[in-house]
Formats: sequence, C-alpha cells, structure tokens
Amino acid sequence: QKEVEQNSGPLSVPEGAIASLNCTYSDRGSQSFFWYRQYSGKSPELIMSIYSNGDKEDGRFTAQLNKASQYVSLLIRDSQPSDSATYLCAVNGARDDKIIFGKGTRLHILP
Amino acid sequence: DAGVIQSPRHEVTEMGQEVTLRCKPISGHDYLFWYRQTMMRGLELLIYFNNNVPIDDSGMPEDRFSAKMPNASFSTLKIQPSEPRDSAVYFCASSSHPASYGYTFGSGTRLTVV
Repeated sequence: QKEVEQNSGPLSVPEGAIASLNCTYSDRGSQSFFWYRQYSGKSPELIMSIYSNGDKEDGRFTAQLNKASQYVSLLIRDSQPSDSATYLCAVNGARDDKIIFGKGTRLHILP
Repeated sequence: DAGVIQSPRHEVTEMGQEVTLRCKPISGHDYLFWYRQTMMRGLELLIYFNNNVPIDDSGMPEDRFSAKMPNASFSTLKIQPSEPRDSAVYFCASSSHPASYGYTFGSGTRLTVV
C-alpha cells in the first residue's frame, strides 16, 4: 500500500516568516512529486512540482526533495495571510499514472 | 480554456436514490480521474481512465459505484443506491501526462445523502 504522510497541523506561522511543510512517502520507486494548495471549500490547485533531488524555487515557494530519505518539503518565504490553506503533498510512482495524496497540512498565517 | 467542468456543484438526495455526477475534462487531456474527499480519509482515488478506457477501478468502494467515459469529453460517476456514508466532495481531474504535469481538478460536487 503506497502511502504519503503529512502532519495534519494546524501549523501557525507569523506573517513574514518562513513556513515549512513536510511529507514522507513509502514507495521508493516514486518519480514525480507535487504540492497542491487547497483553500476551504475549493478544489486543489497545483503550485509546485519536483522530480530530482535538491531544491526547486518558484517565487516565494521552494520545493525540496531527498529520495534517499523519501522526504519532500515545501518552504514558503515571506508568508502572507493569503497563504493560509491546506497543503497537499502528492506522489506519482514509476509504474502507473496514479497520484497518491497525503491528507494535507493546514497552514495558518497569523497577521 | 474553461478548465475541468463538473456538475452539479451540490447534490442533496435521500438514501436509496440514484445519484449521477458529471465531468467534462480539459480538451486534449487523455487522462481522467475521479476522487472522493472526506475529512477522515482525505483524497481517495476511485477510478481513472486513459483514452476513455478504465485503467484502474480498485478504489471504487463497492458495486454501488460505477463510472463511464463514453467519449473524450464526458464522464459520469453513478451511485445506486446511495447511502449516508457516501456523503463527501467528489472531484474529477484531468491531465495530459500525470507524471510530468500533475492534474487539474474540477470544482467538485458536494454530495449529501440524508
């Protein structure tokens, strides 16, 4: 059973600080990794994807991947109240086209 | 592009009734996925199609659930008979290449079975 684990939170971070979200996965053959943001009552929205070890930066967002440790993280710099949402870690394995989602971490940015 | 279009947005039905959820994927996307989201279980994959063919339905909870994709621009998820435990948000998502691009989700259908 492939699994993606996240801390459910809530994670409270002061405005302007760095928010750090973490995720582990069980399928060592996983190849593609995604972060989705989901506002309350809305659908998930893709914000970052990463495929190789290391860091990938896009604006205020940085995704980090360590395949040896089976660990993915998302850093949000200069956190804004509009970043308050649930962040879903998602993983695609090498053997099929399915993407498995974690249950998400609720992030709350304190004004 | 209008994105992935789902209907209805909300559905309230009585236990035992048939429910049909509808989805129109993004044009040119060969993959279509049906997910169910609840607080307890998160996002669960029910079934997915590639080129209108069902590839994996191992997530379909039981025989009460069925899904079809008669053509590249339309899919349905049917529950018959519905039960209160089916209450959830049902998402449809599509993709041209999931491993490379992830999915684009529709707005979802919030189903309440009373």
